[in-house]
Amino acid sequence: EIVMTQSPATLSVSPGERATLSCRASQSVSSNLAWYQQKPGQAPRLLIYGASTRATGIPARFSGSGSGTEFTLTISSLQSEDFAVYYCQQYNNWPPMCSFGQGTKLEIK
Amino acid sequence: QVQLVQSGAEVKKPGSSVKVSCKASGGTFSNSAISWVRQAPGQGLEWMGGIVPIFGTANYAQKFQGRVTITADESTSTAYMEVSSLRSEDTAVYYCAAHDSSASPGWYCDYWGQGTLVTVSS
Repeated sequence: EIVMTQSPATLSVSPGERATLSCRASQSVSSNLAWYQQKPGQAPRLLIYGASTRATGIPARFSGSGSGTEFTLTISSLQSEDFAVYYCQQYNNWPPMCSFGQGTKLEIK
Repeated sequence: QVQLVQSGAEVKKPGSSVKVSCKASGGTFSNSAISWVRQAPGQGLEWMGGIVPIFGTANYAQKFQGRVTITADESTSTAYMEVSSLRSEDTAVYYCAAHDSSASPGWYCDYWGQGTLVTVSS
């Protein structure tokens, strides 16, 4: 089973600043990596898939990069609505097998 | 736009089973990659397993193999997830989620249900 490790566990950033979140896979997942945002009491929302492709309706301030085992989610200029928990997920195409990182909480500094 | 509507909250005794439903509308259910993901209180997301209804065979994370059963009924566009031998650690919100795999391959989740809280308590 592929283990996903996110860092840091908590990130404190001021509005308007850049946030950089990291995700590492225990073995190569190629570009099969997605990022999600989750706010309290809500279901997760897909931000990025294929490591770098923004999902429909996701603002351009969200960007993803990386391949293999090292991935990054960057939020270029934090808005108030961006403070949430972020998860990375690796996925196979077939047979289906996925795993999530433990999450990074992005909080207001 | 795919919409996923899940069944309501459940309270179960340890050792019993629970079956959660997820009804899809607005998309191509048969070709969708349907995942089940759970989230224990205050914890992260955990992928349990998935199914593509047109193929009918489910795959499971190793942790859930043998205790979780995922099925899909194409005639009603509904997916189901059953957990047996419930224990207190199974108390969680259970989500169904979907991706239109006919558009592009992959098991990421574009669409999510609202979640179903399952509480296991004696």
